Amino acid sequence: AQKITQTQPGMFVQEKEAVTLDCTYDTSDPSYGLFWYKQPSSGEMIFLIYQGSYDQQNATEGRYSLNFQKARKSANLVISASQLGDSAMYFCAMREGTDKLIFGTGTRLQVFP
Amino acid sequence: DAGVIQSPRHEVTEMGQEVTLRCKPISGHDYLFWYRQTMMRGLELLIYFNNNVPIDDSGMPEDRFSAKMPNASFSTLKIQPSEPRDSAVYFCASSLKGYEQFFGPGTRLTVL
Repeated sequence: AQKITQTQPGMFVQEKEAVTLDCTYDTSDPSYGLFWYKQPSSGEMIFLIYQGSYDQQNATEGRYSLNFQKARKSANLVISASQLGDSAMYFCAMREGTDKLIFGTGTRLQVFP
Repeated sequence: DAGVIQSPRHEVTEMGQEVTLRCKPISGHDYLFWYRQTMMRGLELLIYFNNNVPIDDSGMPEDRFSAKMPNASFSTLKIQPSEPRDSAVYFCASSLKGYEQFFGPGTRLTVL
């Protein structure tokens, strides 16, 4: 079974609009962490945001917020006020128990003017 | 502060040759990870170290791959002999106490 599922291979959004990138996860470990990374066309992996399983509030970092719904095992990334520079691949990842991350297959976001 | 440094950025080699990829983690970080990214398989964890000790190498594809971390500021990933199917982008990442990982720019390896 997939540990991390990103069902949207591609998404389009108009500049200045908000967009939600979906991520669901599967774990029986009560302690885990969820991460989002951005990979622009230049290839580097950029850490965006982190949510711990025991965190009571949704994580936010500037225009990025994580919509954490523990019962549904979902950790969707919300990007507000999209910019052209947000066009990239976005990866959801989970750390359970141990220190390694398991990555989803990614969602390619394209922001158009 | 400098981020994770990887070298070389690009490597083109012929099948059968030895390839060595290098990584310098962020100073003070105690975890180091090696990943491989391909279109077919996505991002795969190969091996990771904690305080220079290999913790999990279950992702290393076969005996042709080996990794070392002789000290806290340097790690190598070696492929010997290389094969065309090893062509990929190899990332090194480091973290402090296992939290968010910071990635290097990657090494794009092409094996002809």
